[in-house]
Amino acid sequence: DTAVSQTPKYLVTQMGNDKSIKCEQNLGHDTMYWYKQDSKKFLKIMFSYNNKELIINETVPNRFSPKSPDKAHLNLHINSLELGDSAVYFCASSQTTPGHFSYEQYFGPGTRLTVT
Amino acid sequence: AQRVTQPEKLLSVFKGAPVELKCNYSYSGSPELFWYVQYSRQRLQLLLRHISRESIKGFTADLNKGETSFHLKKPFAQEEDSAMYYCALTGSSNTGKLIFGQGTTLQVKP
Repeated sequence: DTAVSQTPKYLVTQMGNDKSIKCEQNLGHDTMYWYKQDSKKFLKIMFSYNNKELIINETVPNRFSPKSPDKAHLNLHINSLELGDSAVYFCASSQTTPGHFSYEQYFGPGTRLTVT
Repeated sequence: AQRVTQPEKLLSVFKGAPVELKCNYSYSGSPELFWYVQYSRQRLQLLLRHISRESIKGFTADLNKGETSFHLKKPFAQEEDSAMYYCALTGSSNTGKLIFGQGTTLQVKP
């Protein structure tokens, strides 16, 4: 199935733990993104990578570290989880054309993180 | 500061009624605007973009630079239009950054 996939779909963990969320796309895209959707459904960009190079790095706590082993994967590692990290995290991908990033982004199904 | 505002959290209409989902933005420069939609149990996906000036699933949106608005309209709502709609704006740099509004849930009642 051609898509953007995320694992796990649900993640429940305690404060202080370290966890990772994985994202993979088989669309052949060269740019990937992480978004956070809070409890009010507000969707905000966190990071993006283009061909494994960090492009967007919003004001996000250092506890969040993205890692892109190749252009088809973008993982999100979170250290010392806090209650406020509870949210739905979406991965997305897009394909650039020379000199231009595409704004048509393909989203994954989301990972619901609950920190207790 | 670049910002997108969707003033309505929930819009509820009856089937066949006209729909207008409001979106206002603040941006210095020439923005590109988009509407994304998330149907129940489906992924967030692009619905339309202002530069295409297209109609998708009966929806249209016109960029009004004077009013800094990009409202999404449909003359006759269908039940299958029920979904969460996000208005989005490109960031000022060519990085692919999208700035989303808070989203509006459209509920079309039979």
